[in-house]
Amino acid sequence: DTGVSQNPRHKITKRGQNVTFRCDPISEHNRLYWYRQTLGQGPEFLTYFQNEAQLEKSRLLSDRFSAERPKGSFSTLEIQRTEQGDSAMYLCASSLGQVLNTIYFGEGSWLTVV
Amino acid sequence: AQSVTQLGSHVSVSEGALVLLRCNYSSSVPPYLFWYVQYPNQGLQLLLKYTTGATLVKGINGFEAEFKKSETSFHLTKPSAHMSDAAEYFCAVRATGNQFYFGTGTSLTVIP
Repeated sequence: DTGVSQNPRHKITKRGQNVTFRCDPISEHNRLYWYRQTLGQGPEFLTYFQNEAQLEKSRLLSDRFSAERPKGSFSTLEIQRTEQGDSAMYLCASSLGQVLNTIYFGEGSWLTVV
Repeated sequence: AQSVTQLGSHVSVSEGALVLLRCNYSSSVPPYLFWYVQYPNQGLQLLLKYTTGATLVKGINGFEAEFKKSETSFHLTKPSAHMSDAAEYFCAVRATGNQFYFGTGTSLTVIP
């Protein structure tokens, strides 16, 4: 499978714990995006990388959230001191080259904070 | 600023009937518009997109959408619904920058 890969697919954690999600984009895609989706809502933009550079961050990305793409390939999204409001699906997407090229989404990582 | 409004959070159609999912957008610049489909517990799959050129866009699985600038709309249609079309559908707009702005989604139910 050469699509966008995310893991873990499901994570249940206690409030206050840290969690990390990993995203492996489609090979050679230089752009990588993180979105968050809660029940009954559309995806909301969190952040965007071009290669290893994080170029845009949403106001939704509080200081408890950090994303990295150290080698311009895979990316990690870490949430520190999780809160119940962080419960959501975290979607990763990638695209190649031109701004208007299609972005391809992974299957998402579900986070439940109890 | 860009935004998307999807009218009707739930739509039910009979199998074989016309599917019409509504999307209106707001954009201060010429928009690029997209429809994505999401099946349960899965990510989003692109159905079709409008960037420039022909305003009637054909996508996968028999879906199509028409960009109407005067109405700021990009409604999604399919002539004959199939059971496998049952899913959540999202309209999205992308103008300046790298962000997609998604609507809140429309859940399509197909009744046998």
